[in-house]
Amino acid sequence: DADVTQTPRNRITKTGKRIMLECSQTKGHDRMYWYRQDPGLGLQLIYYSFDVKDINKGEISDGYSVSRQAQAKFSLSLESAIPNQTALYFCATSDRAVETQYFGPGTRLLVL
Amino acid sequence: GQNIDQPTEMTATEGAIVQINCTYQTSGFNGLFWYQQHAGEAPTFLSYNVLDGLEEKGRFSSFLSRSKGYSYLLLKELQMKDSASYLCAVRGGGATNKLIFGTGTLLAVQP
Repeated sequence: DADVTQTPRNRITKTGKRIMLECSQTKGHDRMYWYRQDPGLGLQLIYYSFDVKDINKGEISDGYSVSRQAQAKFSLSLESAIPNQTALYFCATSDRAVETQYFGPGTRLLVL
Repeated sequence: GQNIDQPTEMTATEGAIVQINCTYQTSGFNGLFWYQQHAGEAPTFLSYNVLDGLEEKGRFSSFLSRSKGYSYLLLKELQMKDSASYLCAVRGGGATNKLIFGTGTLLAVQP
């Protein structure tokens, strides 16, 4: 079983719709991250959380919100999706001691 | 500002050696990571350097010079499956320890 899972893996939605991307991990890590990846731009940090009661904005948080429901779960929401949020979204986790980030398989989102 | 530079693309021959360079300018430094990413897949961790010098892991080695803001990833005995993007990422200073990623180097291994 994968250590970091993301659902859905692919999603097509329309402008203005609210959608949620979910991430779960079985690695026991306390830190979780959401990134988006666009061609030619590399990985950009959206939000990160160092524990259940800690939520922090990353470089590009506008238009997004997150929820850390438990140590193992970190969800990303697009309140009102727009076409330029079309991208590949990755969740990642890390352990406080080591800090290497481990990535989920990604969610490919298309906003029409 | 914070900046990480890598070549956009490289081409190499199966069985050869290739070196992918990364230069960085960041606010603080707490380590440099290399990740491999095949098209449409998740980045996977390759190596981590926090002190100057060379770290070797099988066919892959990574070098760091903190004074020069420079790292390279060395891939030996190239295989076709090594065709992928290679991402350089720096962990900055301060309490957050966030990773800053370069845009990646797309390596094509040819027969």
